[in-house]
Amino acid sequence: EDKVVQSPLSLVVHEGDTVTLNCSYEVTNFRSLLWYKQEKKAPTFLFMLTSSGIEKKSGRLSSILDKKELFSILNITATQTGDSAVYLCAVINRTSGSRLTFGEGTQLTVNP
Amino acid sequence: GAVVSQHPSRVICKSGTSVKIECRSLDFQATTMFWYRQFPKQSLMLMATSNEGSKATYEQGVEKDKFLINHASLTLSTLTVTSAHPEDSSFYICSPAGRNQETQYFGPGTRLLVL
Repeated sequence: EDKVVQSPLSLVVHEGDTVTLNCSYEVTNFRSLLWYKQEKKAPTFLFMLTSSGIEKKSGRLSSILDKKELFSILNITATQTGDSAVYLCAVINRTSGSRLTFGEGTQLTVNP
Repeated sequence: GAVVSQHPSRVICKSGTSVKIECRSLDFQATTMFWYRQFPKQSLMLMATSNEGSKATYEQGVEKDKFLINHASLTLSTLTVTSAHPEDSSFYICSPAGRNQETQYFGPGTRLLVL
């Protein structure tokens, strides 16, 4: 059974801080890892990672995958209060189509 | 990203009634539809997967007679919660997938409250 573990489960920082969110996984036939941001609605897509060592970047957010050690990190620099959300990590198994297995999420709170 | 709509966005119903949730894929053909459920402070859990024109495959612990899924066209799938009970109160989210689609996008979700 595929498994995704995120840490920390909860994080409180001040505006301007840099945060690193972790996601480790166990997948029998790994295809991709995805990061989502969820506020009080459905998740919105951030990144999809398939290859090791290639950083994906979007503004203050970046993410990288290590397929040897089976983990990914999501970095947010110069955090803002609008970054407060639950960040979800999910994996896709090659043999199960596009089905996602999610981690529990990291609740990030950015205080002014 | 893909344009996905869900209706209704929020519904409150009495225990014992049935509720139908519609999910529309507006800008691509959804050959597969995933239905997820999310309880408060928990992550998304896959309920079922359906392919257009065929029966849905349900995850362990999800009753297929209680959660009826219809995926009759490439742009519309419906989830009907039959004889809803308070424990069915949750956030239901659809996610359509195209034939060669890699990234998954989600509908805006439907919050169901059963009194």
